[in-house]
Amino acid sequence: GDSVTQMEGPVTLSEEAFLTINCTYTATGYPSLFWYVQYPGEGLQLLLKATKADDKGSNKGFEATYRKETTSFHLEKGSVQVSDSAVYFCALSDTGGSYIPTFGRGTSLIVHP
Amino acid sequence: ETGVTQSPTHLIKTRGQQVTLRCSSQSGHNTVSWYQQALGQGPQFIFQYYREEENGRGNFPPRFSGLQFPNYSSELNVNALELDDSALYLCASSWTSEAGDTQYFGPGTRLTVL
Repeated sequence: GDSVTQMEGPVTLSEEAFLTINCTYTATGYPSLFWYVQYPGEGLQLLLKATKADDKGSNKGFEATYRKETTSFHLEKGSVQVSDSAVYFCALSDTGGSYIPTFGRGTSLIVHP
Repeated sequence: ETGVTQSPTHLIKTRGQQVTLRCSSQSGHNTVSWYQQALGQGPQFIFQYYREEENGRGNFPPRFSGLQFPNYSSELNVNALELDDSALYLCASSWTSEAGDTQYFGPGTRLTVL
């Protein structure tokens, strides 16, 4: 079945550091890929998405590129801020299979001033 | 344009009881999905409703049921509550049921089963 694997957290960085959160997936069809962010006590917010291979999603300085050859969708940001502290979820929705959305377990990011 | 809202915010029930959670979709959205998020985990898909019909279901028992109303608001009902049902329940709406469509999440209902 479909699955998403994220790097375990917490990821702890100083402000202005470079961020990478790894995400790999398995899917039977041609999935759309997503990154969501969850701030404490809140629901999930879509951060960015990509719907086909080699697409790059970007938003608020975050980027992720859909790599079909490595089945990956790693999240990057060049310079993190304290306000980026949150839990980040990688997810897929498989157009060729059951389409049921599948989420990773989440990666907590803590940014220190 | 109002976002997705859920009620109540928090709820405490005892084992064996029944609970109903409510969700108002974002204006214009005809699809709503429900998720269960246990502490420290990612959301697990419960089911999806599209134009008042169940459109897909995850690996949850039949005591988890739902409804979608003509105005596209939705309910999640859980019967015979178990301790493991304690979780954050998230509702998400979208314009369509297409796999690549963006889902907009509500803030969730925190259910505690004692």
